[in-house]
Amino acid sequence: DTEVTQTPKHLVMGMTNKKSLKCEQHMGHRAMYWYKQKAKKPPELMFVYSYEKLSINESVPSRFSPECPNSSLLNLHLHALQPEDSALYLCASSQNPAKVNTEAFFGQGTRLTVV
Amino acid sequence: QQQVKQSPQSLIVQKGGIPIINCAYENTAFDYFPWYQQFPGKGPALLIAIRPDVSEKKEGRFTISFNKSAKQFSLHIMDSQPGDSATYFCAAVGTGANNLFFGTGTRLTVIP
Repeated sequence: DTEVTQTPKHLVMGMTNKKSLKCEQHMGHRAMYWYKQKAKKPPELMFVYSYEKLSINESVPSRFSPECPNSSLLNLHLHALQPEDSALYLCASSQNPAKVNTEAFFGQGTRLTVV
Repeated sequence: QQQVKQSPQSLIVQKGGIPIINCAYENTAFDYFPWYQQFPGKGPALLIAIRPDVSEKKEGRFTISFNKSAKQFSLHIMDSQPGDSATYFCAAVGTGANNLFFGTGTRLTVIP
């Protein structure tokens, strides 16, 4: 199983709403990532969890709050978003963050629209 | 600052042609160079990857050429098919680092 599963696939939310994006992998990977991708642009790193601990936060606004409840799950909590936050949010995982890099597997993404 | 530069931005080839996408980097700490394929509305999927100790790697119709001294690498797609029409991203990452630095992407269209 080389799959990273993201839910929901699509999400429309108002600027006052609170919602969460979920990501799950069962490959035993110990690094998990959130990326944001705008149309016709490459993915941009938001957060990295290494062994369930937040290791990288790329100066992301506090209206995005990541959580890693266990080694298989990664959440992204959303609150008071702006229309410019509309994008494809991608989750990824890779095998062992402490060793030479191996391939990162991406989920299908959540298409978020903020209205 | 763009860590990985990618060209061309878009590419149109006839079926059976060999599109070539080029990438260049400056950071000599990079030691792993994957290529991703992305279809509209989907997440990137790993195609093929190379480390700088080899100059070429082939997997099926996809070949990476790597020039360590020039800090350049490229993707060749042999016998391209309409189903190969997608956006291709090169990327780079350094040892022990957790960030994939993506190129800007190349939108490939293969005409039947």
